[in-house]
Amino acid sequence: GAGVSQTPSNKVTEKGKYVELRCDPISGHTALYWYRQSLGQGPEFLIYFQGTGAADDSGLPNDRFFAVRPEGSVSTLKIQRTERGDSAVYLCASSLRTGLGELFFGEGSRLTVL
Amino acid sequence: SQQGEEDPQALSIQEGENATMNCSYKTSINNLQWYRQNSGRGLVHLILIRSNEREKHSGRLRVTLDTSKKSSSLLITASRAADTASYFCATGRNSGNTPLVFGKGTRLSVIA
Repeated sequence: GAGVSQTPSNKVTEKGKYVELRCDPISGHTALYWYRQSLGQGPEFLIYFQGTGAADDSGLPNDRFFAVRPEGSVSTLKIQRTERGDSAVYLCASSLRTGLGELFFGEGSRLTVL
Repeated sequence: SQQGEEDPQALSIQEGENATMNCSYKTSINNLQWYRQNSGRGLVHLILIRSNEREKHSGRLRVTLDTSKKSSSLLITASRAADTASYFCATGRNSGNTPLVFGKGTRLSVIA
């Protein structure tokens, strides 16, 4: 596609529920990143993929968070047993390769946990 | 954790004035990038400066980098109301393929 696409744009869920957030990167971009942004803060790194494999998942806050990218394109961020503190905007970005290049961001998925 | 620290946290200026935002970081870097974010939107890349560069220009943007002081500045000249946004610096570290680390941002308001 022309840009990074994220769905849903808005998700409201109840505490304890399971949530999936999807990211469709720019075609041909091998690197894909997930960040989380709370109000008034900068993006906080969660995980990034180079191809199908998670190259660095050190930013995932705990084992309730998991992400996959099975075919090296679309990625899904999965959050189990959601908590109110998980409420944030989840941003996805892609780049041609890791290391030096600029990131292209999607519009984000706003998650609200009631 | 966030490596970059932007200063000031918020800046309000009149249209036509210049806006200067600063970024300080802690570890050695390969490059430093500036991004812009309009309210409720994703981030948009503005400019990248490599660690062996000292200054870079793009349109009304000027970025400087001082690796000895671990700091960078973003200057927007002749600001416009449409420049109102949050601006973030992000650093790419030397050690291998590591993800960008973002600061907390400067919220710029340009008043028409």
